[in-house]
Amino acid sequence: GAGVSQSPSNKVTEKGKDVELRCDPISGHTALYWYRQSLGQGLEFLIYFQGNSAPDKSGLPSDRFSAERTGGSVSTLTIQRTQQEDSAVYLCASSLLASGGAEAFFGQGTRLTVV
Amino acid sequence: GESVGLHLPTLSVQEGDNSIINCAYSNSASDYFIWYKQESGKGPQFIIDIRSNMDKRQGQRVTVLLNKTVKHLSLQIAATQPGDSAVYFCAEGKKGDMRFGAGTRLTVKP
Repeated sequence: GAGVSQSPSNKVTEKGKDVELRCDPISGHTALYWYRQSLGQGLEFLIYFQGNSAPDKSGLPSDRFSAERTGGSVSTLTIQRTQQEDSAVYLCASSLLASGGAEAFFGQGTRLTVV
Repeated sequence: GESVGLHLPTLSVQEGDNSIINCAYSNSASDYFIWYKQESGKGPQFIIDIRSNMDKRQGQRVTVLLNKTVKHLSLQIAATQPGDSAVYFCAEGKKGDMRFGAGTRLTVKP
């Protein structure tokens, strides 16, 4: 596609259930990021993938959160045993990292509501 | 003027005036800095970036200033328009690892 695509756009889930959020980055982009944004707040870094390197998971808030990127393309963010405080918009971005410093393109986000 | 609200800091300006949005960054080793604009219900959009070896860069109606001595970044918007109303985030990056600041909500009054 022309841009970063995230699915679903909205997800309502019951507390304690697992959810999977998907990100399709721009084709050829080597870097992929996941951020979380609570209402009216800034962007909280979650995880960063760069090529075949080990991902930087330092932003994942707990071991209930995990992410993978298959074949250097599509990424899935999984939240296990969801809690109400997990409710937020989850944003994915990708960039073509050349010699450092690159514009990142964001998807529209997945709005997660845990009830 | 600029104030700190319950959530994001807010800057309110009159249409046609110039806006200055400020950001303090944390990592003196960052290679580059980026400004993003986020409109309601949308993902952030790239505005302009600057490498760490520069102190000023200009785009269309926007200028970014970098002061590495005090780790301060600013975005200047000339002749602010209603369409500029949004939340503005600065980001710092090193080898692709990109972290965002808290953001500032810009409101343009007609």
